[in-house]
Amino acid sequence: DTGVSQDPRHKITKRGQNVTFRCDPISEHNRLYWYRQTLGQGPEFLTYFQNEAQLEKSRLLSDRFSAERPKGSFSTLEIQRTEQGDSAMYLCASNGGAGQPQHFGDGTRLSIL
Amino acid sequence: QKEVEQNSGPLSVPEGAIASLNCTYSDRGSQSFFWYRQYSGKSPELIMFIYSNGDKEDGRFTAQLNKASQYVSLLIRDSQPSDSATYLCAVNYSGAGSYQLTFGKGTKLSVIP
Repeated sequence: DTGVSQDPRHKITKRGQNVTFRCDPISEHNRLYWYRQTLGQGPEFLTYFQNEAQLEKSRLLSDRFSAERPKGSFSTLEIQRTEQGDSAMYLCASNGGAGQPQHFGDGTRLSIL
Repeated sequence: QKEVEQNSGPLSVPEGAIASLNCTYSDRGSQSFFWYRQYSGKSPELIMFIYSNGDKEDGRFTAQLNKASQYVSLLIRDSQPSDSATYLCAVNYSGAGSYQLTFGKGTKLSVIP
């Protein structure tokens, strides 16, 4: 069990640029989640995949955000035209079934200059 | 709007004492309850999960759930300085195909040597 892997760990970019993050879930987990966490807050749900299907999206997920999980394995989260308010830790989690504990990766910390 | 409330702390306890962390949630349909530990700058790490009313013990940790009162707690016995972290309460309501976790803002625990 290698755990949830996220890449990159840190991303610094200028406002207006596009960024893409990758998440590799625990291999036997078919469910994958993206969350965003800002300082002093708990993680906030962004979106959820079961296998390759994106089944749930938060209202927080503006049209600048898009997520994919094309083969039901790894997932990518893209943010287009980044804004200052996008600065946060982006967390990926996975689990193997409804209600089971979600296990988090180390996160990608995004800083917008 | 599903809400999870935690006292932000900081909660300070002496080494060797029992730390008691509390959490209330708004949605009576909530079915799964989780406690995560988060060190500064790191991602959440699963500590305990509980699904049924009552107590669940794992080593120095005990999770307590009271669905009638919509209340879940975490007890840490024989607290150690390494337990100093922010503890996040998370709730899952699996109704209507929603599998996201709703987090509280976390309680910061400080264990004084």
